[in-house]
Amino acid sequence: GDSVTQMEGPVTLSEEAFLTINCTYTATGYPSLFWYVQYPGEGLQLLLKATKADDKGSNKGFEATYRKETTSFHLEKGSVQVSDSAVYFCALTDTGGFKTIFGAGTRLFVKA
Amino acid sequence: DTAVSQTPKYLVTQMGNDKSIKCEQNLGHDTMYWYKQDSKKFLKIMFSYNNKELIINETVPNRFSPKSPDKAHLNLHINSLELGDSAVYFCASSPRGTGDYGYTFGSGTRLTVV
Repeated sequence: GDSVTQMEGPVTLSEEAFLTINCTYTATGYPSLFWYVQYPGEGLQLLLKATKADDKGSNKGFEATYRKETTSFHLEKGSVQVSDSAVYFCALTDTGGFKTIFGAGTRLFVKA
Repeated sequence: DTAVSQTPKYLVTQMGNDKSIKCEQNLGHDTMYWYKQDSKKFLKIMFSYNNKELIINETVPNRFSPKSPDKAHLNLHINSLELGDSAVYFCASSPRGTGDYGYTFGSGTRLTVV
């Protein structure tokens, strides 16, 4: 079945450091790919998405590119802030579109 | 005005009790979902309704029963609560059957069974 694998956390960075959180997926067909962010005590928020190969999703300085050849959707940010500390989830929606599968989440800590 | 609202936010109850969690969305979305998040933050889909019709029913104990009286509401009733049911339950919605637009999540209901 479809699956999403994310790098294990926690990831600890200093403010203004470069962030990469790796995400790879297994899916039949042509899934849509997403990154969600969860701040403490809150629900998940959609951060960015890409619906076809080579699409780049971006929002709030975060970017991810849908790479079909490597089945990857890595999240990047050039300069993280303390306020970016959260749990980040990579997810895919299957071709049928009714089910979204989430990765295990990666916790990010950013130190001042 | 909260887009997806869940009540209650916290629920502490004893084993064996029956409880309900309510969810309402004011976004005009067609599809609603229940997800369970365990203590390690792992998210697992439980149910999905599209225009009041059940379309996803994962391997969930039949003590869990969803109900969708209209497309803006999706409630979750749990019978005979067990310790292992302790988790955070999230309601979510999306514009239509496909999840291509991504979900809008509620803020969660933290259920603790003692």
